[in-house]
Amino acid sequence: AQSVAQPEDQVNVAEGNPLTVKCTYSVSGNPYLFWYVQYPNRGLQFLLKYITGDNLVKGSYGFEAEFNKSQTSFHLKKPSALVSDSALYFCAVRPSGSARQLTFGSGTQLTVLP
Amino acid sequence: DSGVTQTPKHLITATGQRVTLRCSPRSGDLSVYWYQQSLDQGLQFLIQYYNGEERAKGNILERFSAQQFPDLHSELNLSSLELGDSALYFCASSAGVLNTGELFFGEGSRLTVL
Repeated sequence: AQSVAQPEDQVNVAEGNPLTVKCTYSVSGNPYLFWYVQYPNRGLQFLLKYITGDNLVKGSYGFEAEFNKSQTSFHLKKPSALVSDSALYFCAVRPSGSARQLTFGSGTQLTVLP
Repeated sequence: DSGVTQTPKHLITATGQRVTLRCSPRSGDLSVYWYQQSLDQGLQFLIQYYNGEERAKGNILERFSAQQFPDLHSELNLSSLELGDSALYFCASSAGVLNTGELFFGEGSRLTVL
């Protein structure tokens, strides 16, 4: 079975500081990994994905994520946080070559303090 | 705007009742997915349709059913409602059936069961 763990329910960071939102996964075979963001009263929006290739993936709004196969992690990062980045972030995984659906983590609430 | 439209945005009903949630996918997308988001269960995959056919089933209760119509819109029917069914129900769409994970989410239908 596939699973995703987001160990932090809440992450607070000061505006201008780097931010990291952690994600670890468990899946059979090679993973497809994703980050989505949810703003209040909105649906989830796709941020970035790792399918294959370069372990560092760049996405929307200046976010990036690093795939680490040995640590089964896919942490989301941004060099300089903005107050507008405050939102709920979800990591998701699906095994490659499979029709199985995305499994989402429990979400991490990111708050960027001015 | 993701291009996915869900109605109604809010719905309040009583236990034992039946409701129908409606979703119009992005133009050209053939796959529709239904997710349930609640505080205690997180984001749970319910069911997927592709071009009118059911393709995958997740944690969908027997009291719930869905279908996708020839014009590709989808409906999620929830019956014999219980208090625990109160949640945010999301519809998402993608172009293919074996998606690479980039789902486009609607803004959700918030169901409150009293």
